[in-house]
Amino acid sequence: KAGVTQTPRYLIKTRGQQVTLSCSPISGHRSVSWYQQTPGQGLQFLFEYFSETQRNKGNFPGRFSGRQFSNSRSEMNVSTLELGDSALYLCASKLGETQYFGPGTRLLVL
Amino acid sequence: GQQLNQSPQSMFIQEGEDVSMNCTSSSIFNTWLWYKQEPGEGPVLLIALYKAGELTSNGRLTAQFGITRKDSFLNISASIPSDVGIYFCAGQSGSGGSNYKLTFGKGTLLTVNP
Repeated sequence: KAGVTQTPRYLIKTRGQQVTLSCSPISGHRSVSWYQQTPGQGLQFLFEYFSETQRNKGNFPGRFSGRQFSNSRSEMNVSTLELGDSALYLCASKLGETQYFGPGTRLLVL
Repeated sequence: GQQLNQSPQSMFIQEGEDVSMNCTSSSIFNTWLWYKQEPGEGPVLLIALYKAGELTSNGRLTAQFGITRKDSFLNISASIPSDVGIYFCAGQSGSGGSNYKLTFGKGTLLTVNP
């Protein structure tokens, strides 16, 4: 069974731009969560989607948003990028109580 | 909010040595998970623990879910160079739906000297 896939793997943007990241969960997994990972803050939860609905949300500003499609694929959008948004963005899909992570998208904001 | 204290922050050991790391929390968790992350990759699940007192092995890795449900440890026996990476513990609270929450420790950086 294929794992969680994320595209793109690397991205460079400039301040003020917006970005959309994509995640395809493991087949059969309906829950998709997004995390931001930085050296200083570690892994921080952004939000979780289940059956196209946002089910949980972390403490991030409204510039961070997401959505989930009927095939469980999910996208995350960050608008008006700031330098501090540079991070590894991880997507995880869940079946039952266990989460499985994708390889991440490395975003660099210049 | 919930916090996980993971220790040690880093370890530098010789190949063949055993390693132990642990996580403690001020809150009770329903599930403990241990992940390993290598540079440029996402965390990979190593062991999942679902019951207090549970002791589970995966090859050279052994992890236990503390009886108080507030702690967990991970042991790696006879370390090898490919064990290098950052090990994260994660505690899960809630029982699914909108109550589900996964809290991560800050990680333990393991370096193995051949």
